[in-house]
Amino acid sequence: GAVVSQHPSRVICKSGTSVKIECRSLDFQATTMFWYRQFPKQSLMLMATSNEGSKATYEQGVEKDKFLINHASLTLSTLTVTSAHPEDSSFYICSARGQGHPFYNSPLHFGNGTRLTVT
Amino acid sequence: QKEVEQNSGPLSVPEGAIASLNCTYSDRGSQSFFWYRQYSGKSPELIMFIYSNGDKEDGRFTAQLNKASQYVSLLIRDSQPSDSATYLCALIAPKAAGNKLTFGGGTRVLVKP
Repeated sequence: GAVVSQHPSRVICKSGTSVKIECRSLDFQATTMFWYRQFPKQSLMLMATSNEGSKATYEQGVEKDKFLINHASLTLSTLTVTSAHPEDSSFYICSARGQGHPFYNSPLHFGNGTRLTVT
Repeated sequence: QKEVEQNSGPLSVPEGAIASLNCTYSDRGSQSFFWYRQYSGKSPELIMFIYSNGDKEDGRFTAQLNKASQYVSLLIRDSQPSDSATYLCALIAPKAAGNKLTFGGGTRVLVKP
């Protein structure tokens, strides 16, 4: 089955620093990846849609200059939280569309998530 | 009206019983529906997907889709304590950019031994 690897699983950083999170599709090519954020006891909130070789599409209210997304290859997308603040502390999860027929509506498979704590 | 609505629960179910979870959606044109399970502190994992009206069974899980009434449900038979988790209903809305998923708020299920 489709496997999505996310790294790191947990990171603690100081306020004002930047953190990079990697998301890899291990056994399939992901032309589209999605980045979510989840606060405690809340559902997943889509932050942006990452397309290989082009600029990411951000959801309303998400600052593109703060959450930098790069999708340079068919198997790797990165999310960089720049100038992190304590309110950015959250659970960040990437996902990619698995192989299926038809591909365009096949299920998303999620990485294991990254718990970011900004002190 | 939210695009995808679920009862937040918790839904308390005795071990061995059937857990019944419901999800309603507002956009009649939605075509693809998914159920995910999420344990506390973990990322969601796919349980089932359903595209056509009717029932779809996979092991102890059955998804039911009724497009006319705009609801999709999940039945968990012979519920086990390990089924205790939050269950997320998701769909792909018509013309969704990148075919992104829209999630409901989730239903928390507690299976009591």
